[in-house]
Amino acid sequence: GAVVSQHPSRVICKSGTSVKIECRSLDFQATTMFWYRQFPKQSLMLMATSNEGSKATYEQGVEKDKFLINHASLTLSTLTVTSAHPEDSSFYICSAELSGTEAFFGQGTRLTVV
Amino acid sequence: GENVEQHPSTLSVQEGDSAVIKCTYSDSASNYFPWYKQELGKRPQLIIDIRSNVGEKKDQRIAVTLNKTAKHFSLHITETQPEDSAVYFCAASKGTDKLIFGTGTRLQVFP
Repeated sequence: GAVVSQHPSRVICKSGTSVKIECRSLDFQATTMFWYRQFPKQSLMLMATSNEGSKATYEQGVEKDKFLINHASLTLSTLTVTSAHPEDSSFYICSAELSGTEAFFGQGTRLTVV
Repeated sequence: GENVEQHPSTLSVQEGDSAVIKCTYSDSASNYFPWYKQELGKRPQLIIDIRSNVGEKKDQRIAVTLNKTAKHFSLHITETQPEDSAVYFCAASKGTDKLIFGTGTRLQVFP
């Protein structure tokens, strides 16, 4: 099946700094990628839809200035958590879909802000 | 927008028994319903999916049923094994639109 690679898998950063997470589709082109956030023992909450070559579409309640999304190519989308705070600590995971078929998820990134 | 509800939140069964997880969705235009299995700290993996033109789909010990009229779909796992223990998520979407996930069911299979 298709492979989506997410990097880094774990990151610890200091409060106030920014962290960039990369999501790559390794063997297919993804015009659309999705970013989710998952708290412990909770579901995947969609944060935003990343569209190649255009602005991301954010879900209600997600701060677009805090969670910057860039989808500059058909195989790469990045999520930057700006001015991170402890409450931003979470498991962030991306996915990409082969048009009309299943979504393939990255490995996820566990962010800890200290 | 779409809203997906999932029940139960936790489910404990004895090895060999069956497990059933149910989901309901709100948007009648949704036409794609996948089920994902997520083990602790790992990415969700698709285990089975169904489209709105089909009422039932089976893959070995796993089956999914869809009732479009009632807007609900269910996951059935037969002859459960300890390795089936994980969190299961249902989801719904319209074509290539975003997936909306249910709240998840933590399944524990006791030997």
